Amino acid sequence: EVQLVESGGGLVQPGGSLRLSCAASGFTISSFSMDWVRQAPGKGLVWLSRITIDGSITINADSVKGRFTFSRDNAKNTLFVQMNSLRVEDTAVYYCGRVGGYNDFDHWGQGTLVTVSS
Amino acid sequence: DIQMTQSPSSLSASLGDRVTITCRASQGISSNLGWYQQKPGKAPKRLIFSASSLQSGVPSRFSGSGSGTEFTLTISSLQPEDFATYYCLQYNSFPWTFGQGTKVEI
Repeated sequence: EVQLVESGGGLVQPGGSLRLSCAASGFTISSFSMDWVRQAPGKGLVWLSRITIDGSITINADSVKGRFTFSRDNAKNTLFVQMNSLRVEDTAVYYCGRVGGYNDFDHWGQGTLVTVSS
Repeated sequence: DIQMTQSPSSLSASLGDRVTITCRASQGISSNLGWYQQKPGKAPKRLIFSASSLQSGVPSRFSGSGSGTEFTLTISSLQPEDFATYYCLQYNSFPWTFGQGTKVEI
């Protein structure tokens, strides 16, 4: 069974840093592109980033460019996002998603909540 | 960036009703559109991909249509478990963009 489990969320002060993980099981991430999406409380879904199969290319949404670094460790079957210079507006549930054969999300994780507040 | 305009933002419906949700793309996206259902506190769930293909395991009362710039999600007979928020997603070009969501409630 395909599973994606995000972790690492929590409360952080503005300007702080946090590292999120997305552990995959039931499939090998090295065979798929993987994306991150976030959702602010009570708001809609916002796409953030694509990591290709070999991790050599990421495409970041402008809102997080220069502050968030997306990566993958194929050996650990895990994705990461290093979030620096966090802002109040980064408060959201962060989801990882698998990009399937039809080039859209065929599986999502359950999400992890990041709260940026003083 | 491609803007996805989803309407309505919310709707009130009754069990058994036929419900239609529309997404309009600011430029042509071929059939590179998906529909997702999200319930409170849960991750989105794929319903439709490639504009009109039904995800395995999703009830046949859900259907999608359209191509280019106009897309529709239809629920033929609303069931209790269908009360949720629905999002369209264009994956024709980066950055991928979602519609604003449609909340379906009683």
